[in-house]
Amino acid sequence: GAGVSQSPRYKVAKRGQDVALRCDPISGHVSLFWYQQALGQGPEFLTYFQNEAQLDKSGLPSDRFFAERPEGSVSTLKIQRTQQEDSAVYLCASSRGVEWTEAFFGQGTRLTVV
Amino acid sequence: AQTVTQSQPEMSVQEAETVTLSCTYDTSESDYYLFWYKQPPSRQMILVIRQEAYKQQNATENRFSVNFQKAAKSFSLKISDSQLGDAAMYFCAYRSEETSGSRLTFGEGTQLTVNP
Repeated sequence: GAGVSQSPRYKVAKRGQDVALRCDPISGHVSLFWYQQALGQGPEFLTYFQNEAQLDKSGLPSDRFFAERPEGSVSTLKIQRTQQEDSAVYLCASSRGVEWTEAFFGQGTRLTVV
Repeated sequence: AQTVTQSQPEMSVQEAETVTLSCTYDTSESDYYLFWYKQPPSRQMILVIRQEAYKQQNATENRFSVNFQKAAKSFSLKISDSQLGDAAMYFCAYRSEETSGSRLTFGEGTQLTVNP
């Protein structure tokens, strides 16, 4: 595709529900990042994939958060047993190589937990 | 760990005027990139300008330029001839060049309003 695509754009979940957020990176991009952006704040790193390998998951806030990229393209961020503090915009970014100088972002998924 | 600080939560500028957004960062590394990203209400981060730390010359992209002071760890963005379409949230970000595939570390953002 022409850009990074994320779906859904909006998700409302009841507390305790599981959610799955999808990211379609630019075709051929090796690196893929997930960020969490709370209202009025800057994005914060969650996890990084190089192709299908998850090389850094140090930003995942709890073991309720899980990400995968099984074939090195599409990635899914899963949040189990959602809580109100999980409400945020989740941004996905991809870049061409490992040593990248530009990351391309999707429009994010706004998750609201009620 | 690296940190990025933007001390101006909000800024405003008159159309056609010039505005400067401030950013400071803290790092012990010598090789890194600095970025300014623009985030409109659509939420998609758009790269405005990029600076490699090893380059002494300040980066320029049309109406956007930076003042990079490596010793002071300062990286400000100047927007000249401001346009209504420049109104957005602006984020300063840092990326290590010493760690393969490394993440972006963002500041808290500056909300820019452009007045007609």
